[in-house]
Amino acid sequence: EDQVTQSPEALRLQEGESSSLNCSYTVSGLRGLFWYRQDPGKGPEFLFTLYSAGEEKEKERLKATLTKKESFLHITAPKPEDSATYLCAVQAGGGSNYKLTFGKGTLLTVNP
Amino acid sequence: DAGVIQSPRHEVTEMGQEVTLRCKPISGHDYLFWYRQTMMRGLELLIYFNNNVPIDDSGMPEDRFSAKMPNASFSTLKIQPSEPRDSAVYFCAAPRLFSRETQYFGPGTRLLVL
Repeated sequence: EDQVTQSPEALRLQEGESSSLNCSYTVSGLRGLFWYRQDPGKGPEFLFTLYSAGEEKEKERLKATLTKKESFLHITAPKPEDSATYLCAVQAGGGSNYKLTFGKGTLLTVNP
Repeated sequence: DAGVIQSPRHEVTEMGQEVTLRCKPISGHDYLFWYRQTMMRGLELLIYFNNNVPIDDSGMPEDRFSAKMPNASFSTLKIQPSEPRDSAVYFCAAPRLFSRETQYFGPGTRLLVL
């Protein structure tokens, strides 16, 4: 069974204070690892897909990295508007199964 | 705009009543997913369709839940009878053309069963 564990559950930062969120996973053959951002009262918003160990992707202040066991979402010099819940999900490889297994998320709060 | 419309956005009902949630993926892609989100269990897959056919419904809690996809642009999730433990946010998600792996989520339906 695919499993995703995210840590910490909650993280409070000061504006400009860089940090990282962790996503540990077990999956029977990884097709892709996904990062989403979710604001209160809204649906998850897609950020990145990583496909293989060593891959990195960046978007503004966010950078996602991937190893064979975990992924990190690095947040550089965060701003209050980066406050949200960040969700990690895995998709197992093989065939036409595209289901996502999600972690419970990290609630990030960035104080001005 | 994620290209997925859900209705209603909020639903309050009493235990025992039938609830129908609706999803309209604008792109009309061949895959459609239903998820449920709660504080306790996070975001969980309920069922997904490929070419309007249910492929994996192992996440559907019990027989009170049913889902249909009569065409590529419309799907329903029905709960009958509803129970207080069904209270959650229900999301519909669909890929976009040329990108089957990535799912784009609708705004969700917040369901409260009293």
